[in-house]
Amino acid sequence: NAGVTQTPKFQVLKTGQSMTLQCAQDMNHNSMYWYRQDPGMGLRLIYYSASEGTTDKGEVPNGYNVSRLNKREFSLRLESAAPSQTSVYFCASAQNLQETQYFGPGTRLLVL
Amino acid sequence: QKEVEQNSGPLSVPEGAIASLNCTYSDRGSQSFFWYRQYSGKSPELIMFIYSNGDKEDGRFTAQLNKASQYVSLLIRDSQPSDSATYLCAVPLWGDDKIIFGKGTRLHILP
Repeated sequence: NAGVTQTPKFQVLKTGQSMTLQCAQDMNHNSMYWYRQDPGMGLRLIYYSASEGTTDKGEVPNGYNVSRLNKREFSLRLESAAPSQTSVYFCASAQNLQETQYFGPGTRLLVL
Repeated sequence: QKEVEQNSGPLSVPEGAIASLNCTYSDRGSQSFFWYRQYSGKSPELIMFIYSNGDKEDGRFTAQLNKASQYVSLLIRDSQPSDSATYLCAVPLWGDDKIIFGKGTRLHILP
């Protein structure tokens, strides 16, 4: 039982490059989330998915897209990376919205 | 704009003493509250959940909730160096899908 897994653990991109962050959970949770965490800013919600087949914007969605591929997987795509997207990205899952969230180990992204 | 406020710290507490972490929130309708612990370079992990006014105890941890004052706190008794971490308060918004996280309080337990 791995919980929430994320790949990659670390990535360096050049400005304008694209990439997809992968997230998977094996807890049969309905809800999944993507956050970014920056020093002094706390956790900020990028996108979330209440259940399979639905996605909604969070606090800071600009520059990102998401796909809820199935109940287990929720990916985050940066179409044209910018230095302002340098951050630590966390995926989380919960049985349902507003219930306890379980976090993945994070992806550290550096955009040059 | 709904907010969750925490003192950023660092809060320095001697080993063996009680550490007190505070959180205030602006959404009067919020019904439940979470405390997460985050070690440096790691992801947040849940340590306490509370939804009723009063105290909830779990081992060395006690969460205290006062909905009238919109205030939730976390007490850590017999603080250990392993308690040194950032503590995040999280509040689900009433009538909304989202949970708002505070920016966290850095706690440093002095050996």
